[in-house]
Amino acid sequence: IAGITQAPTSQILAAGRRMTLRCTQDMRHNAMYWYRQDLGLGLRLIHYSNTAGTTGKGEVPDGYSVSRANTDDFPLTLASAVPSQTSVYFCASSETSGGTGELFFGEGSRLTVL
Amino acid sequence: AQSVTQPDIHITVSEGASLELRCNYSYGATPYLFWYVQSPGQGLQLLLKYFSGDTLVQGIKGFEAEFKRSQSSFNLRKPSVHWSDAAEYFCAVVQNQAGTALIFGKGTTLSVSS
Repeated sequence: IAGITQAPTSQILAAGRRMTLRCTQDMRHNAMYWYRQDLGLGLRLIHYSNTAGTTGKGEVPDGYSVSRANTDDFPLTLASAVPSQTSVYFCASSETSGGTGELFFGEGSRLTVL
Repeated sequence: AQSVTQPDIHITVSEGASLELRCNYSYGATPYLFWYVQSPGQGLQLLLKYFSGDTLVQGIKGFEAEFKRSQSSFNLRKPSVHWSDAAEYFCAVVQNQAGTALIFGKGTTLSVSS
């Protein structure tokens, strides 16, 4: 049972570089989400997608973009990384976007921007 | 806007003692509320959720939570804590009931002493 797969698990990146964090789910869930987790701040929603072909902005979308070309994949792109984007990034999915479903999380991607 | 407050950043409990983690929410209508647990280096796992009905909700691993509308609270409880319960706990509320994502509190770190 794979669930949600995130890649890479860890990455060190120079400021100004472009980076894409990958997220793939095999549960055929409609909704997918990207969160970042920072010490003392909990998890904050970056972007979400209620269904393939649609995306929306969360609490902290600036500097990030997403796409949802199909049901399974939801990549997160940092166009020009900055040190404040150093964080642990979690991808999650839920069966529906109705808010009543459980979120399933990946293992996280630890990103360090120098 | 919906929000969640977890007043306690860090709690230490003796093994075998009871536990209560506090969560207060801000939401105009009846909220959808969740508790998640995160073990070190892992993603988040759902403990329990409340949508409607019985205000005392049972979850996995012996946890329960009680929804109190008058106090805008959804506190997590366990009668006897085990060393394996040491983790970070997050309370969350649905962003809006039209359905998008969860808004998380900043988390409470639980340490268990022997």
